Amino acid sequence: EIVMTQSPATLSVSPGERASLSCRASQSVSSDLAWYQQKPGQAPRLLIYAASTRATGIPARFSGSGSGTEFTLTFNSLQSEDFAVYYCQQYNHWPGTFGGGTKVEIK
Amino acid sequence: QVQLVQSGTEMKKPGSSVKVSCKASGGTFSSSVFSWVRQAPGQGLEWMGRIIPMFGTANYAHKFQGRVTISTDESTSTVYMELNRLRSEDTAVYYCARDRGVVVEAAPPGWFDPWGQGTLVTVSS
Repeated sequence: EIVMTQSPATLSVSPGERASLSCRASQSVSSDLAWYQQKPGQAPRLLIYAASTRATGIPARFSGSGSGTEFTLTFNSLQSEDFAVYYCQQYNHWPGTFGGGTKVEIK
Repeated sequence: QVQLVQSGTEMKKPGSSVKVSCKASGGTFSSSVFSWVRQAPGQGLEWMGRIIPMFGTANYAHKFQGRVTISTDESTSTVYMELNRLRSEDTAVYYCARDRGVVVEAAPPGWFDPWGQGTLVTVSS
């Protein structure tokens, strides 16, 4: 089973700042990687799939990059509604595994 | 636009079973793929299994094999997840989601979009 490792566990950011989250796979997953946002008490929401394709309705300030084993989710100018937990997920290998999440909190 | 609406909160005793429903609307049910993902309190996300209504067969993560059954009712566009022999560690929010992976039996799941609102299942004596 592929292990997905996200870092950092918590990221403190001021509104308006740029920030990046990392997701590393224990073996190559090609570009078969998705990112989700989850706010307290809510279901996860798809942000990015295929490593860099924004889902429908996702603002352009979210961008994804990477391939193989190293992936990054970048926020250009964090907004107040972006403070949440972010998960990556690989879907290249059975059974499709999630990272442990990165909490983005207000600095 | 597919929408998924799940059944309500469940309280169960250890050793019992729970069956959670997920009603889909707005899409082509039979040719879609649906997965179940769970999240224990304060924890991350864990994929449980997927089903393609058109084929009627489900595939499960090894961890849940033998204890979980995913099924569908095409007449009501509803997906079900039944988990047996419940233990306290099964306390979690259970989500259904449209699985955007390939429509091939035994394929790994794809990405998930959209998600149902979640169903809290609490297992306690």
